[in-house]
Amino acid sequence: GAGVSQSPSNKVTEKGKDVELRCDPISGHTALYWYRQSLGQGLEFLIYFQGNSAPDKSGLPSDRFSAERTGGSVSTLTIQRTQQEDSAVYLCASRHKRGGGLTNDFKETQYFGPGTRLLVL
Amino acid sequence: DQQVKQNSPSLSVQEGRISILNCDYTNSMFDYFLWYKKYPAEGPTFLISISSIKDKNEDGRFTVFLNKSAKHLSLHIVPSQPGDSAVYFCAASSSGNTPLVFGKGTRLSVIA
Repeated sequence: GAGVSQSPSNKVTEKGKDVELRCDPISGHTALYWYRQSLGQGLEFLIYFQGNSAPDKSGLPSDRFSAERTGGSVSTLTIQRTQQEDSAVYLCASRHKRGGGLTNDFKETQYFGPGTRLLVL
Repeated sequence: DQQVKQNSPSLSVQEGRISILNCDYTNSMFDYFLWYKKYPAEGPTFLISISSIKDKNEDGRFTVFLNKSAKHLSLHIVPSQPGDSAVYFCAASSSGNTPLVFGKGTRLSVIA
């Protein structure tokens, strides 16, 4: 598809279980970002990938959260031993590679997937 | 401390009138600003952006104004349509591969 896709769209899990969320970025986009939106809050940055490396993990709320990206494409966000406060919408965004003669607007804009709604009971 | 603030959680406007959504920021390093629109159960959709070298950017019914000295930007929608009803997020970034910093959003309701 042309856009960012995420799976599953909804996930209900029990407290203490592990969950894995997947993001497929737009083809050719080298930068990938994970955000989450808790109820009534704005979007909170979690982690950023440039290619397969993660130069910025500063937003991960605890060591129960980890993410990886393979082949410069698909990314997986894993939450171990889920807690009720992890309930949120987890959003993935991708951005085009910088440079290449593109306008700044095109290079800087992040495009979002539909999100995964996680509910921890 | 919130670096991007949208002080109005909601706004109600009549169809055909102008909608003005406001956003303030505190970080002077921000040099790129975006507005996203979000419908329920969907991801944010990019709407319009502006870099700090400009003070206005227009795209159809949507215009974004940037006042760097006041660290303020606004989104104008004219004329407003019922389909514009959504939550609008203001976001900012600084040069380099930095994540976007979002405001908490303003819910716009356009009444027919």
